[in-house]
Amino acid sequence: NAGVMQNPRHLVRRRGQEARLRCSPMKGHSHVYWYRQLPEEGLKFMVYLQKENIIDESGMPKERFSAEFPKEGPSILRIQQVVRGDSAAYFCASSGTTTYEQYFGPGTRLTVT
Amino acid sequence: KNEVEQSPQNLTAQEGEFITINCSYSVGISALHWLQQHPGGGIVSLFMLSSGKKKHGRLIATINIQEKHSSLHITASHPRDSAVYICAVERGGSNYKLTFGKGTLLTVNP
Repeated sequence: NAGVMQNPRHLVRRRGQEARLRCSPMKGHSHVYWYRQLPEEGLKFMVYLQKENIIDESGMPKERFSAEFPKEGPSILRIQQVVRGDSAAYFCASSGTTTYEQYFGPGTRLTVT
Repeated sequence: KNEVEQSPQNLTAQEGEFITINCSYSVGISALHWLQQHPGGGIVSLFMLSSGKKKHGRLIATINIQEKHSSLHITASHPRDSAVYICAVERGGSNYKLTFGKGTLLTVNP
């Protein structure tokens, strides 16, 4: 019973490049959540998605960040034109529909040089 | 002031000691979570609770809704318990959006 999977685990990008982070939810889960953990700070909610729908993106920066969860395939968090301040650990979590208990993935650590 | 406050920020203990980590929150909640994160590692959900007390092995979590306070206890602590413990709340009216404390770094020495 595979848990939540994220890849890559580590990603290095130069300023101005694009970063794509992938999250495959647990089997049977159709809700995905993305969180960001900045150095020395707590986790912060970014976005909540269901298949093909963005439910709540109130935590997403207004520019350069986007997320999707297509009908087939993983959820993608996309950061365009990365800056040093985007360096952080990005975690996704998934939940089912009977309870909203969230199961977290191992995270992607993004470093912008 | 953060909506979720944890104390202490750092905690060092000797193997075998009883550990308590506290979490206070200032908003109405529907549930509270305790999470564990090893350095450089992923996040593991330990407990989700909305009232009373839960126990899993050497871990015990309690919550007092009236006082807006929760505690995580570890009995007979072990070096492998060394990790960051994070308290997170689901705000009332939202059963998904978690607000997190900054975490408590626990180090258990052999």
